[in-house]
Amino acid sequence: NAGVTQTPKFRILKIGQSMTLQCTQDMNHNYMYWYRQDPGMGLKLIYYSVGAGITDKGEVPNGYNVSRSTTEDFPLRLELAAPSQTSVYFCASSDIGGRAQETQYFGPGTRLLVL
Amino acid sequence: QKEVEQDPGPLSVPEGAIVSLNCTYSNSAFQYFMWYRQYSRKGPELLMYTYSSGNKEDGRFTAQVDKSSKYISLFIRDSQPSDSATYLCATHRGGADGLTFGKGTHLIIQP
Repeated sequence: NAGVTQTPKFRILKIGQSMTLQCTQDMNHNYMYWYRQDPGMGLKLIYYSVGAGITDKGEVPNGYNVSRSTTEDFPLRLELAAPSQTSVYFCASSDIGGRAQETQYFGPGTRLLVL
Repeated sequence: QKEVEQDPGPLSVPEGAIVSLNCTYSNSAFQYFMWYRQYSRKGPELLMYTYSSGNKEDGRFTAQVDKSSKYISLFIRDSQPSDSATYLCATHRGGADGLTFGKGTHLIIQP
């Protein structure tokens, strides 16, 4: 059981470029999340999904897009990268109901540098 | 006012000491409270989970929630150098909403 996996681990982008951060979970969880973590800050929610085909905005969605075509995958798309998107991005997943719903499992993160 | 306030530290204590980490929150709708541990360049891992007010103990770790004062605590007994990490408190209203995190406290246990 690999849990939550993310690729790439690290990426440098030029301003205006685009890229997709990949996230896959093998726990058959319905809920998936994208967070960003800036230096010295807690994690902030970008987007989340409660199941295939259903996504919703979090606290800081501007500049990002998501899709959820399968239960396992939840890619995050950056269009027109800006220096303000330099951050560490974490994907997380959780199951439905009770404590399982509140226990989010995190991936190892993707470090993104926009220059 | 931020929803979850947490002193970023760093907090440095000698090995074997009792560590106290704290957060305050402002939203009364929060029902679930968690502590995550994050090692450098790693993802957060869940340490403790508490629903509503009360205490929960797991080995050397004790989590406390006081909803009347909106105060969350984590105590670490017999602290070890391997406990050196950033500790993030997080809260949740329930349902599919994401977690609301504090900034994290950087803890250093000196051998």
